[in-house]
Amino acid sequence: DSGVTQTPKHLITATGQRVTLRCSPRSGDLSVYWYQQSLDQGLQFLIQYYNGEERAKGNILERFSAQQFPDLHSELNLSSLELGDSALYFCASSTRQGLNEKLFFGSGTQLSVL
Amino acid sequence: QKEVEQDPGPLSVPEGAIVSLNCTYSNSAFQYFMWYRQYSRKGPELLMYTYSSGNKEDGRFTAQVDKSSKYISLFIRDSQPSDSATYLCATEKQGAQKLVFGQGTRLTINP
Repeated sequence: DSGVTQTPKHLITATGQRVTLRCSPRSGDLSVYWYQQSLDQGLQFLIQYYNGEERAKGNILERFSAQQFPDLHSELNLSSLELGDSALYFCASSTRQGLNEKLFFGSGTQLSVL
Repeated sequence: QKEVEQDPGPLSVPEGAIVSLNCTYSNSAFQYFMWYRQYSRKGPELLMYTYSSGNKEDGRFTAQVDKSSKYISLFIRDSQPSDSATYLCATEKQGAQKLVFGQGTRLTINP
């Protein structure tokens, strides 16, 4: 167990809908990362937060947004969902930010858009 | 062209065999190199990391980096069925604040 908790584990929804994925980092970790994993694209970095502030952005669509709350948990909001958004979404946390930080991944949320 | 290329496999070998997993990368700015292991329905977990060219050994696992040819390898000796998983290479560069992953290689060790 990595100590990173993601809910829900599975999510089935329809095109055009909006969903929220939740992540609780390991106790004491200030940095939260969101990744998307699909069969054709692999594991893609979406966005990173550190102590409530956005610190890095990857290939995140404008339809997607995230935030990190004062208690350090994070939420990833996906709106106007499309079939291609179906993927496994991972949250990871680390103690600090910067190079060579060890990331601890949650078990992911499997999103299916029908 | 992807920044990190990795053959997705699948790769199937008998128990006890030596396994070689490889990645290539295109950007010489990448400085840190990691291998993650991902079991089915689980998140990736860090297996090994290295900074410099050369070899780094940890038990049955050896990570090798050749910066001159932009080539990363992971060797698994005396492979076990419990090593069956997807192995992802990852790299990071100064100031990027993110890991770039390879596609992952699905490995099966047959008893």
